Parts: sequence; C-alpha cells; structure tokens
Amino acid sequence: EDQVTQSPEALRLQEGESSSLNCSYTVSGLRGLFWYRQDPGKGPEFLFTLYSAGEEKEKERLKATLTKKESFLHITAPKPEDSATYLCAVQPMTTDSWGKLQFGAGTQVVVTP
Amino acid sequence: EAGVAQSPRYKIIEKRQSVAFWCNPISGHATLYWYQQILGQGPKLLIQFQNNGVVDDSQLPKDRFSAERLKGVDSTLKIQPAKLEDSAVYLCASRDRANEQFFGPGTRLTVL
Repeated sequence: EDQVTQSPEALRLQEGESSSLNCSYTVSGLRGLFWYRQDPGKGPEFLFTLYSAGEEKEKERLKATLTKKESFLHITAPKPEDSATYLCAVQPMTTDSWGKLQFGAGTQVVVTP
Repeated sequence: EAGVAQSPRYKIIEKRQSVAFWCNPISGHATLYWYQQILGQGPKLLIQFQNNGVVDDSQLPKDRFSAERLKGVDSTLKIQPAKLEDSAVYLCASRDRANEQFFGPGTRLTVL
C-alpha cells in the first residue's frame, strides 16, 4: 500500500534560521512528487512537482529535492510569512486513476521574528 | 485566471441531515477531484472525474456520499445522512495539462 510520512509534525524556527522538512514515501511506482503550502482556512497552494531522483526545484527561499525514497523541502533564511503547513503528496504510476494524489499529514512551520 | 470556486464556505448541520457542496473548476480543466481533509491530516481523495465520467471513487463512502459532474464543468458533492465523523473540510481541485492540481478554498463542515 502506498504511504507518505512527513517529519517533523511541527517546526518552530527563528527568522533566518534555515531548516529542512522530510517526506518519505513508499509507492509501487512514482509518477511525481508534489509539495503544497496550506495556510489556515485556505486550500493547498501548489509549490513544486518533482519527477525523477536527483531533480531539484527552487522558488524564493524554498528548495525541493527528490531521491528514490524521500524528498526534502529546504527553507533558507525563513521569514514569518513562510509560516504555513507544508504538504507532500505522491502521484502513483497507475493506469486507472491518472493524476490521483496521496498526501502526507503535513509539517506545520511557525517562523517567529 | 480565476481559481477554483467552492460554496458554501462553512456549513453546520445536525447528524442525519443532508448537505451539498458545489464546485466550479478552472475553465478548461477536464479533471476534477473532491478531497476530504480532517483536522490535522492531509487531504484524502474521495472521487475523481474526467469530464463527465467517474475515474476513481474507491474511497467514497457510497452508502451516504454521492457526487456528480454535469456537462463536464461544475460538480456537486452530497452527504445524506451526515455522521459526526463527516466533520471536515471538503476540498475541490482541478488539474491542468501540466499535471498541476489547483485547489479551491474548501467548505468547512461541522456535524453536531
């Protein structure tokens, strides 16, 4: 059975204190791995898609990397506006429901000034 | 470009009552999803539509949940009768050709 585990569950950072979030996954075949940001009371907001091991993508202070068993979301010199829950999701390589995402429980990040 | 629209944003009902949620996806997106997000958890897929047809409803509790997508655009998700454990945020998403899923703001359902 496909499984996605995110750690830590919660992370409290000082402004400027860099850190990494982990997403480990078990899937029979990986079509893609997605990172989303979710603010309280809002729907998830797309950040990145990674398709193959070794791939990296960056956006402002965020950088996502992918290996065959896990993905990391690195937050460099975070600001208070980076406070959110970060969700990781895998898209299995299935033929019957192309595009389906399986999400982890998320990491809640709080960045204090 | 307008995003995914959902209504209502909040709904409070008594158990055993019925409720319906509406979703209007981004124009031109053929694939539409309904997810359930329980507090503290990630979204869980309930049903996936490709145009008018259901692609995956394996995790939809079919004894009480139903969904339709008429004319391949708007979609409605219904719960009848609601249980306490249905309290959650119901998210609608649509997917573009680049395989990116865009989510609406969600409907927060509280069942008393």
